[in-house]
Amino acid sequence: NAGVTQTPKFRILKIGQSMTLQCTQDMNHNYMYWYRQDPGMGLKLIYYSVGAGITDKGEVPNGYNVSRSTTEDFPLRLELAAPSQTSVYFCASSYGGNQETQYFGPGTRLLVL
Amino acid sequence: GDSVTQMEGPVTLSEEAFLTINCTYTATGYPSLFWYVQYPGEGLQLLLKATKADDKGSNKGFEATYRKETTSFHLEKGSVQVSDSAVYFCALSDPNTNAGKSTFGDGTTLTVKP
Repeated sequence: NAGVTQTPKFRILKIGQSMTLQCTQDMNHNYMYWYRQDPGMGLKLIYYSVGAGITDKGEVPNGYNVSRSTTEDFPLRLELAAPSQTSVYFCASSYGGNQETQYFGPGTRLLVL
Repeated sequence: GDSVTQMEGPVTLSEEAFLTINCTYTATGYPSLFWYVQYPGEGLQLLLKATKADDKGSNKGFEATYRKETTSFHLEKGSVQVSDSAVYFCALSDPNTNAGKSTFGDGTTLTVKP
């Protein structure tokens, strides 16, 4: 199994540009999450989904959008990129809710200049 | 809101030394508690977890006990190895929903020298 895969691995954006970070999992998990990790900090939850067609905001959703049309895919859209969005983005998935382990992808490093 | 406070790093130890990384949390209700490890250039992976008070999670020689009375989940290992060098994150899962929404500490960087 590939687990959780993310593309691209690294991207440089100019201020005001848009992009989509891709995330796919092959574990048939219902729950998926997007986090950002700033240097020296823990992960902050951006958006999450408890199943196809259901998404909700996390702690830091401003400047981002998500969709969940299938169980496998959970893309994160950045509109009008800003330097404050420079970060490492991790996608994760889990089988269930609060007691379940989250499985993380390798991350996408984004630099906004 | 929920919060997780971890011992500040970085931590540098010699091989075979004893490791403790402190973690305390604030949450309403009874969260599940996790330790994740992040190796350089990789995503986080679960090290161990505990889902109720007094549970002990263990894996690869690491242990942590869910202490409700002190709201703590300290990570310990009796004898560290060079291969344990990584960043360690304590996390809790929001007990007020069942969505697995997690709050992470800032991470503690461990370096083990031969």
